[in-house]
Amino acid sequence: GENVEQHPSTLSVQEGDSAVIKCTYSDSASNYFPWYKQELGKGPQLIIDIRSNVGEKKDQRIAVTLNKTAKHFSLHITETQPEDSAVYFCAASSSFGAGTTVTVRA
Amino acid sequence: ETGVTQSPTHLIKTRGQQVTLRCSSQSGHNTVSWYQQALGQGPQFIFQYYREEENGRGNFPPRFSGLQFPNYSSELNVNALELDDSALYLCASSLERQGGSPLHFGNGTRLTVT
Repeated sequence: GENVEQHPSTLSVQEGDSAVIKCTYSDSASNYFPWYKQELGKGPQLIIDIRSNVGEKKDQRIAVTLNKTAKHFSLHITETQPEDSAVYFCAASSSFGAGTTVTVRA
Repeated sequence: ETGVTQSPTHLIKTRGQQVTLRCSSQSGHNTVSWYQQALGQGPQFIFQYYREEENGRGNFPPRFSGLQFPNYSSELNVNALELDDSALYLCASSLERQGGSPLHFGNGTRLTVT
């Protein structure tokens, strides 16, 4: 089955700085790569996704890049704000990474 | 548009008992996936149901079973509960099978096994 590794496990950034989370996957057949944000007491919510026929996608302050040859993809959050503090998960097919706890310091 | 709802929100069971968790999918979605999320970890795929048939299963023993009903709502049943079954159980509905479209998650059922 698919194996997804996610780094770092925790990330602390100053408000206004950028945050980058990286993931690798093992199954070259995977073609859909979503990112989810989970806040305390809630289920994960989709924030952005990318398909294998696209190398980069951007939505306001959030962007995702995909390198299918190297089997890795990354989430970039620019101009971080306190409300960006949460746990972020990458996924490939039905498999999720272990999560990154992002803390934005005011 | 009604989102994914799960019941109950919290549950405490004793080791060896059986439990049933329920999920109502988002309107228009015919696929339901169940995940187990242990504290501090990512969701682990249990299985997926598409049009009332199991359509993929993760590395979970047969005592984890499920059902999907004609209205696409779903149940997760766990027999012979073990202490390690304590976790947040998440249900997610989607438009496509096998990880090809966004998952819409409910807020989960927190199961504690004592």
